[in-house]
Formats: sequence, C-alpha cells, structure tokens
Amino acid sequence: GAGVSQSPSNKVTEKGKDVELRCDPISGHTALYWYRQRLGQGLEFLIYFQGNSAPDKSGLPSDRFSAERTGESVSTLTIQRTQQEDSAVYLCASSPGRGLAGPLAKNIQYFGAGTRLSVL
Amino acid sequence: AQKITQTQPGMFVQEKEAVTLDCTYDTSDPSYGLFWYKQPSSGEMIFLIYQGSYDQQNATEGRYSLNFQKARKSANLVISASQLGDSAMYFCAMREGELGNQFYFGTGTSLTVIP
Repeated sequence: GAGVSQSPSNKVTEKGKDVELRCDPISGHTALYWYRQRLGQGLEFLIYFQGNSAPDKSGLPSDRFSAERTGESVSTLTIQRTQQEDSAVYLCASSPGRGLAGPLAKNIQYFGAGTRLSVL
Repeated sequence: AQKITQTQPGMFVQEKEAVTLDCTYDTSDPSYGLFWYKQPSSGEMIFLIYQGSYDQQNATEGRYSLNFQKARKSANLVISASQLGDSAMYFCAMREGELGNQFYFGTGTSLTVIP
C-alpha cells in the first residue's frame, strides 16, 4: 500500500485477555518499529526489526509483550494478559533501513495511524 | 543523559506569525539524522523535515525550516506564517550513527495557533 497500515484502529478489551495488533509496512521498507504512546506522553520505543536480523527487543516492558515479523512484511505485536496500564496508542513505523546506509541516507520513519488500546 | 530534549511543553503563536520550537540533542557520533514530526489530535505522526549531520545548509520544506546549529547541538524547528491547522504536538527525533536504525524522540511541544 501507499502508507503504513495498522489494524485495528481501536481495540477495547478486558483485563487479562490477549490482544494482537497488526502493522503492514510500506512496501520495500526493511525496517519496522513499534512504539507505545500513553495519553499526553511521548513515544516509547518497544521493538524494531531490520530485515532478517534478530529484532531489537530492548524496549519491551515485560514478557507479556512480544512481536513477530515475517521477512520484510507484516508485523504483529501481541500483548498477553493485558493490564490497565497497557492502555495506550500503539504506533508502528517503517523506514527504508540499512540498505540505504551512508551520509545521504535519510532513513525517514513513516508512521501508521496507530491502534488505540483500551483495557477495561 | 537524554538524547533529545524539548524544553517547551506548550507554545502559543498568533496566526500568520512565525514560531520556533526548540530541540537539543546529545550524541558523540559524527553521523546522525534529525527529524521533526507533527502529531495532530487525530494521532497520526506526520514527517515534516529532515536534517543530516553532514548537511551544509539548513533544511527547508515549505513553511518549515530547521535552524541547525551543530556546535550547540540544536535543531530548532521554525514554522513561518502559522496557520490554525498547525495546532498540534511536535516531536523532535534523532537517528544516531551512519548505520543506526534506532530513533530517539523528545517529549514533544504542544503548539496552539491563536486566531
């Protein structure tokens, strides 16, 4: 597609349930990022994928959070046993990635519209 | 230390006036990229402008310009001729390193344009 697509746009769930959030990056972008944004806050890095390399999971807040990506396509962020503090907007972004390394590489991140997660 | 610092939580500007949003960064890597994003109330992050550490001139994109002062490690966003639609959160971000793929975001500045 033309841009980064995320689904669902809104998700309401009960505490303790598992949720899956989906991100479809821009075609050809090798890098994909997940961020969390709590109400009125900045972006909190969660995880990033670069091609077929091992993902950087350093931002995942607990083992209830996990993410997968198949090759350079769709990614799924899974939150198990959701808690009320998981309520936030989850943003996905993609960028051209390392393939364009060098001083002229802008490697701009393009964001999806986000998934607003509400845990009741 | 914070990688990106935005010291203005909220700013107001009169319509048609110019406004400067501050951003300072911290890195020891000679190669990095600086970005500004706009986040309106709809929530989507919109890329505005990019400045590379090797760029000799300040970046400009329409009404947006980046006042890049490398020695001071600042990358302020200047919005000229403010419009009501410019009211939004603005985030400064940095990509560190020539091969770096991790991005660091500031806490944002909320801009309100007054008619």
